[in-house]
Amino acid sequence: DAGVIQSPRHEVTEMGQEVTLRCKPISGHNSLFWYRQTMMRGLELLIYFNNNVPIDDSGMPEDRFSAKMPNASFSTLKIQPSEPRDSAVYFCASKFGGLGSPLHFGNGTRLTVT
Amino acid sequence: AQRVTQPEKLLSVFKGAPVELKCNYSYSGSPELFWYVQYSRQRLQLLLRHISRESIKGFTADLNKGETSFHLKKPFAQEEDSAMYYCALGAGSYQLTFGKGTKLSVIP
Repeated sequence: DAGVIQSPRHEVTEMGQEVTLRCKPISGHNSLFWYRQTMMRGLELLIYFNNNVPIDDSGMPEDRFSAKMPNASFSTLKIQPSEPRDSAVYFCASKFGGLGSPLHFGNGTRLTVT
Repeated sequence: AQRVTQPEKLLSVFKGAPVELKCNYSYSGSPELFWYVQYSRQRLQLLLRHISRESIKGFTADLNKGETSFHLKKPFAQEEDSAMYYCALGAGSYQLTFGKGTKLSVIP
């Protein structure tokens, strides 16, 4: 099992450009989460899906951020237009089951917006 | 609303000294608590969860409902323990709320 796979590992883009981050969860997992990690705020939950349906997107900072999960094996997080303050590491995580089951994280995408 | 507080951003200890990483939570229901660890430039991974009552890599954590705490402890720190540690609270069906993390630095 390759675990949760995220791409790209690093993304450098200019302010105003569209950025798309990708995630492949572990096969069989029914919940998927997008987190943002910064030095100032630590780990922030942006959005999570259960059975491909968005359950809570209250953590999405603004309308510039959107996330989709068209099927059980793929999700995207899009930022359009990107801004320098979006620079962070974005983690995708998945799990199977309810509250007590652990999250499995991907390696993250380090985004730099200049 | 649920909240997780890790009061220390950075904790430095000498090798062989005891370690305690503090975590307090706020939640009106019955909590599920976890510790996750992130070694340098690696993915976050589960270290332990309170429901398992286990010891992983010498670390233990006890849920104290009276003090709403879930502190992580290890009697003798090792250099390889240097990492970022996140306390997480499970509330509701699926969501985990993370603290801001504590960076543990073990001095040789």
